[in-house]
Amino acid sequence: SQQGEEDPQALSIQEGENATMNCSYKTSINNLQWYRQNSGRGLVHLILIRSNEREKHSGRLRVTLDTSKKSSSLLITASRAADTASYFCATDGADRGSTLGRLYFGRGTQLTVWP
Amino acid sequence: EPEVTQTPSHQVTQMGQEVILRCVPISNHLYFYWYRQILGQKVEFLVSFYNNEISEKSEIFDDQFSVERPDGSNFTLKIRSTKLEDSAMYFCASSGGSTNEKLFFGSGTQLSVL
Repeated sequence: SQQGEEDPQALSIQEGENATMNCSYKTSINNLQWYRQNSGRGLVHLILIRSNEREKHSGRLRVTLDTSKKSSSLLITASRAADTASYFCATDGADRGSTLGRLYFGRGTQLTVWP
Repeated sequence: EPEVTQTPSHQVTQMGQEVILRCVPISNHLYFYWYRQILGQKVEFLVSFYNNEISEKSEIFDDQFSVERPDGSNFTLKIRSTKLEDSAMYFCASSGGSTNEKLFFGSGTQLSVL
């Protein structure tokens, strides 16, 4: 299948520590996105990285993409309790001719940051 | 900041009943979507809508489902005859502007079919 798969499924850390989440996917992509979901809420877009990019930063977020390994990582530095949420990677359907906005989500990583 | 709004936040219905889930996308967006998330499972694409017609639909989006943009602001998902397995959180999303690939999601409607 196309979907990204996040690893680990759950991550528990202390405030101030860094959190790293990984995503693997199976087919070609134009871009990969990371979204965050607080419990019972909608998904919030965090960052988009294109297939010709290797690394991207946004505030405390750092995303890497390795298209040869079909993998991406999301690093949250100096984590805070407010970062507690589920994090999802989503790929587009470049290989399948999918239209704009059809994203394939993984199951997500549940991040818990303890104060 | 503009946001996608969905109503109702919770909907309980009996199996076989029709439900309409409502969404107000961000006003200058041109692309609209419905996704769903069954408890404990992945977020799944249902349908995309552009220029007043369906752009793409998934295998989940069968004849029981329909979408409509009845006016310039609302975007609805109708399920004609609900089944137990339709119970899920339904998310509306929209995109547009300078970064069409970035989706803005609403907070979702939790649909429970009894």
